[in-house]
Amino acid sequence: DVKVTQSSRYLVKRTGEKVFLECVQDMDHENMFWYRQDPGLGLRLIYFSYDVKMKEKGDIPEGYSVSREKKERFSLILESASTNQTSMYLCASGKRGENTGELFFGEGSRLTVL
Amino acid sequence: AQSVTQPDIHITVSEGASLELRCNYSYGATPYLFWYVQSPGQGLQLLLKYFSGDTLVQGIKGFEAEFKRSQSSFNLRKPSVHWSDAAEYFCAVENDYKLSFGAGTTVTVRA
Repeated sequence: DVKVTQSSRYLVKRTGEKVFLECVQDMDHENMFWYRQDPGLGLRLIYFSYDVKMKEKGDIPEGYSVSREKKERFSLILESASTNQTSMYLCASGKRGENTGELFFGEGSRLTVL
Repeated sequence: AQSVTQPDIHITVSEGASLELRCNYSYGATPYLFWYVQSPGQGLQLLLKYFSGDTLVQGIKGFEAEFKRSQSSFNLRKPSVHWSDAAEYFCAVENDYKLSFGAGTTVTVRA
């Protein structure tokens, strides 16, 4: 069974802390994505990656960075967490090519910043 | 970039009744359109997709969607809803190999 695993389901952090959200996929997918989900706003793309060591900004990259050192792993980093980054974070992966819209999602990481 | 709008924030439907969720897309070339479902506490799962060809597409869990270019719509339907269909549903459009999602529609199923 294909799987996208997010390391933490729930996190509580304090303002100013550095936060790492890890995502691993076992499908050998080239593309990986980080979305943020907020009520009434749907999913908004933070960053994505088409290949190892490659990254592209999405619609809301401010306050975030990413790392992709290995094909199967895509990390989201909040250098200095703020309360407005309290949200659900969803990682997704997909194949490069004609089915690029077919994404596989992890179960999400709910982050609370106090 | 193309975008999608889901006009209904929340829909309540009785078990066994039909369901239709609306999705409108912005003007552009033939869009690649998708419907995803998110059950409580879960990630998103692809229900169905439209790339080209037949405008009525079948998906998993008994869902179907119809692409109507004249109305810029891609509405999701199910003839008879089950309690397990209670979830949040997202319409999405592909932009340069990335997905842009609508705000979502929450479906509540009453017994």
